[in-house]
Amino acid sequence: GQQLNQSPQSMFIQEGEDVSMNCTSSSIFNTWLWYKQDPGEGPVLLIALYKAGELTSNGRLTAQFGITRKDSFLNISASIPSDVGIYFCAGLPQEYGNKLVFGAGTILRVKS
Amino acid sequence: NAGVMQNPRHLVRRRGQEARLRCSPMKGHSHVYWYRQLPEEGLKFMVYLQKENIIDESGMPKERFSAEFPKEGPSILRIQQVVRGDSAAYFCASSPLGTAYNYEQYFGPGTRLTVT
Repeated sequence: GQQLNQSPQSMFIQEGEDVSMNCTSSSIFNTWLWYKQDPGEGPVLLIALYKAGELTSNGRLTAQFGITRKDSFLNISASIPSDVGIYFCAGLPQEYGNKLVFGAGTILRVKS
Repeated sequence: NAGVMQNPRHLVRRRGQEARLRCSPMKGHSHVYWYRQLPEEGLKFMVYLQKENIIDESGMPKERFSAEFPKEGPSILRIQQVVRGDSAAYFCASSPLGTAYNYEQYFGPGTRLTVT
C-alpha cells in the first residue's frame, strides 16, 4: 500500500517559536490534507491542498503542496499552548482515487 | 450545521459480545468512511460507503466486521464476537457528494471501544 512518512515524530517547542513538520512519500499524491487531533477527540481539518506548488494559510498555519507532488509541509508560526496536539497529514494517492492515506502523526508539545 | 456525530462515545464489551458503532454524517454528506486508531498511531482506513452501497471495504477484516449505510438512518459499524485486539478508537468521517472537494473528510469525535 501507499506509505506516508511524517516527521518529526514528536517535538517540544518554546511558546512563540515557529514549528515545521512534513510528510513525504515515494508515490505521487493528488491531494494533501492536514489535520489536528486533540486528546479524546476526532481529527479536525486544518488545510486542504489540491495543486502542486499550492501554498495555503489558515491563521498562523501555512501548508504547501510540494512541486514534485510527493511531499507537503505544515508550518505553525508563533506557537501558543493550545497548539498542543497531534498533527496528521493525509494524502490522496494518484494511483487510486477514494482512499486517504494518513501519516503516523507529529506530537506537538509546547513549553509555556 | 451539526458536525459528524458518533455514538456511543465509549463502549465496553466483554469478549464474545457484539459491538455496534453508529455514525451520522454531516447534513448533505452522503459519503461515509470508517477508520480505526490504536493509541499513539495514525488512522487506518477500514471501509468507504455511500447510501446503500459499500464502495471499498479493503481495510476491513473479512471476518466479524461489517458495515452498512442504509437509505434512512446512520451508518453502522458492527463487530461480532469481539476480542481484546479490537480495543481501539473508531472514527467515522463524511464528505460531500458531487463537488470538486469531496475528498475533504470531516471526522466525528470517535467511539472508544474497550474489550474486557
